[in-house]
Amino acid sequence: GIQVEQSPPDLILQEGANSTLRCNFSDSVNNLQWFHQNPWGQLINLFYIPSGTKQNGRLSATTVATERYSLLYISSSQTTDSGVYFCAATSVDAGNMLTFGGGTRLMVKP
Amino acid sequence: DSGVTQTPKHLITATGQRVTLRCSPRSGDLSVYWYQQSLDQGLQFLIQYYNGEERAKGNILERFSAQQFPDLHSELNLSSLELGDSALYFCASSRGQGAGYEQYFGPGTRLTVT
Repeated sequence: GIQVEQSPPDLILQEGANSTLRCNFSDSVNNLQWFHQNPWGQLINLFYIPSGTKQNGRLSATTVATERYSLLYISSSQTTDSGVYFCAATSVDAGNMLTFGGGTRLMVKP
Repeated sequence: DSGVTQTPKHLITATGQRVTLRCSPRSGDLSVYWYQQSLDQGLQFLIQYYNGEERAKGNILERFSAQQFPDLHSELNLSSLELGDSALYFCASSRGQGAGYEQYFGPGTRLTVT
């Protein structure tokens, strides 16, 4: 099945800094999603982005499907951005079951 | 709020017992998925239902079973519980059954087996 790898595994930022999280996948995908898991455990949808670029406020994401990677950009980080960011993907021959990466744990310090 | 609801939020039970987790999908969504998040295995897909029919199976143990009812809510049954079954169980839903449909996750049920 598809392999999804995220980097870095851990990231510590000062409030106001920018960051880039990366997600590499091993196969062609027809579904790619980014999630934020907050300290209470909730998985919050950030982007549905099998290809192209999207922006939502301080967050944006780009997926280059032909090169099998996706990037999540966080600008002007805030303490509320802390948590774990997951990338999840579905390969073209695997229905719609999401395979998750290991996550990037982000801590934003005031 | 994703619109997906799960009950209960927390569940504490003993080894050997059986529990049922419940999920209601977003209005209009026909597919329901179950995922397990544990410390050692990460987030893993368990099973998918679409309009009452099983559509895909992942790493679901034989002690676990699920179903989707005519009103589209779903239940995940876990039996003969072991300590290693302690995890956060998520339900997700999407409009359709195949690829190309965004999945929305519920708040999860945190299961602790003692």
